[in-house]
This record gives sequence, structure tokens and C-alpha cells, in this order.
Amino acid sequence: GQQLNQSPQSMFIQEGEDVSMNCTSSSIFNTWLWYKQDPGEGPVLLIALYKAGELTSNGRLTAQFGITRKDSFLNISASIPSDVGIYFCAALPMAGSGNTGKLIFGQGTTLQVKP
Amino acid sequence: DAGVTQSPTHLIKTRGQQVTLRCSPKSGHDTVSWYQQALGQGPQFIFQYYEEEERQRGNFPDRFSGHQFPNYSSELNVNALLLGDSALYLCASSFGTGGREQYFGPGTRLTVT
Repeated sequence: GQQLNQSPQSMFIQEGEDVSMNCTSSSIFNTWLWYKQDPGEGPVLLIALYKAGELTSNGRLTAQFGITRKDSFLNISASIPSDVGIYFCAALPMAGSGNTGKLIFGQGTTLQVKP
Repeated sequence: DAGVTQSPTHLIKTRGQQVTLRCSPKSGHDTVSWYQQALGQGPQFIFQYYEEEERQRGNFPDRFSGHQFPNYSSELNVNALLLGDSALYLCASSFGTGGREQYFGPGTRLTVT
């Protein structure tokens, strides 16, 4: 089945440092999404990517849709304490696969920021 | 602009019982998807409802069923609860079955004892 491999599993960084995480798969996807989830809450959509090669920013966050359609990365610049949480990549299968609305998630990256 | 809402927030049930969870989509959205998130894992797709019909389904048994109402709100029903059904149940809404941006509610924490 389609799976997303997200890395790293966890990160512990100093406030002000930059962060990078990525997701890879052996399958190709139509859309890549990045979510942040705080404990006991639902995932919040951070960035959506629709085209291969697309690079999109949202404040200090930057994400890219890989050229092969099989991967994506998320960068956070100048981290602050409120960046703490679990970050998930998610992807939608290609049209015609019969699974176009079925969002597939990575295992998550837990980010901790030391003030 | 109202976001996705879910009720109840928390629920405790006994093995073998049945449970119903509710979801109201974000304003302007007509499609509701349900996900199960076990502790420490990413959400897993259960099914998606559009135009009051189940359009897609993940690898979940028939004990999991749903419904969508004319106002686009939705229910998730789970029968014959098992201990392994304990999880955070998330509802996400989007526009159209191919809606590429799915917005999540806060979830319902179900504990089965």
C-alpha cells in the first residue's frame, strides 16, 4: 500500500535554529500537505503544495513538492518555543487511482525547542 | 468563519457497546472524511462522505459506519466496541471529493474499557 516515510522522528533544537524535515514514498502523489498538531487537538493545515517542484512559504515555514512527486520537505527558520508540536506530512493519491480523497499521513516529527 | 466542530470532546465506553460521534464541516464545505488516530501515530483514513453517500473507504471493518445529512454534517458509528478502538477520532472537511485541502476538527477522544 501507499506509505509515507517521515524523518526525523524527533528533534530537540535550540531556539533560533533552523529545522528541516522530509517525507518520502515509493508512490507518486497529486498533493502534499503539511500539518502541525498540538497535544489533544486536531491537525492544523500549515502549507498545501499542488505542483511538482512547487516551493511555497508561510511566514517562517517553507515547503517544497518534489520533482518526482514522491517526496516533500518542510523547513522552519529561526525556531521559537511555540513551534513545539508534532508535524505531519500528508499526501493525496493521483486522480484515477480511486483514492483521490484519501489523505495518507506520515508518522510525524516531534519538535522540541529549548529556549 | 466557523471551523470544523466535533462532539463530544471525550467519551468513555465499555467493550461491546456502540458509539456515535458527530461532526459539522467548515462553512462552505460539502465533504466530510473521518480518521482514526492511535496514540503516537498519524491519522488513518476511515471513510469519506459526499452527497450523503460513502464515496471512499479505508481498511476498517464494517463495525465502522457513517452517515451524512443534507446540511453536510456527519456521524461516525462504531458497533461492538473493542479495546483497540480507543483513539482520537478526527473529522476533516473539504470542498468536493477531490478537495485537496482538508481541514480538521479538534477530535473526539474515545476510551474503551
